[in-house]
Amino acid sequence: DIQMTQSPSSLSASVGDRVTFTCRASQSIGSYLHWYQQKPGKAPKLLIYAASSLQSGVPSRFSGSGSGTDFTLTISSLQPEDFATYYCQQSYDIGHTFGQGTTVETK
Amino acid sequence: QVQLVESGGGVVQPGRSLRVSCAASGFTFSTYAMHWVRQTPGKGLEWVAIISHDGSHKYYADFVKGRFTISRDNPKTTLYMEMNSLTPADTAVYYCARGGQQLVRSPFEAWGQGTLVAVSS
Repeated sequence: DIQMTQSPSSLSASVGDRVTFTCRASQSIGSYLHWYQQKPGKAPKLLIYAASSLQSGVPSRFSGSGSGTDFTLTISSLQPEDFATYYCQQSYDIGHTFGQGTTVETK
Repeated sequence: QVQLVESGGGVVQPGRSLRVSCAASGFTFSTYAMHWVRQTPGKGLEWVAIISHDGSHKYYADFVKGRFTISRDNPKTTLYMEMNSLTPADTAVYYCARGGQQLVRSPFEAWGQGTLVAVSS
């Protein structure tokens, strides 16, 4: 099974900050890595697919990069609505494993 | 627009069964693989199962294999999950999600709102 490890598990930031968090796969997954945002009580929302492609309607302050085993999600200027939990997910194999999430909290 | 609406959750005793459903609309249901994902209270997301567009292929996470069965009714554009031998560890919000036209490679572009399954005596 492919394991996905996100770091950090949480971070404190302020509006306007540039924030970056990482996701590491236990084996190479090419670019089959996707990022989701989830707010309390809501379903996850797809932000980035195939490592770096922005989902339609998602603000351009979100960007993704990486391939193989190491990936990053960057928010260039944190907005109030961005305080949430972010999950990475691999779709390289049938297990579609998620990372454990990174929660962005108010500093 | 794409819409997925889960139903059928509730409180169930350990060892009992429950079936949850996901009604799909706004897209050609019969051409997409579909998934179930769950989220245990206060925890992260766990992929549970996938069914191919025509129902011919099904795969499960190890923790539900042999207990849960995913199925679909394409004319009714509805996805199902039959859950047997439930334990308290199965307590979670269950989401359906739309995959791609293949079993792998695609992200989950659309999600339902989730249905809560609580296993408790």
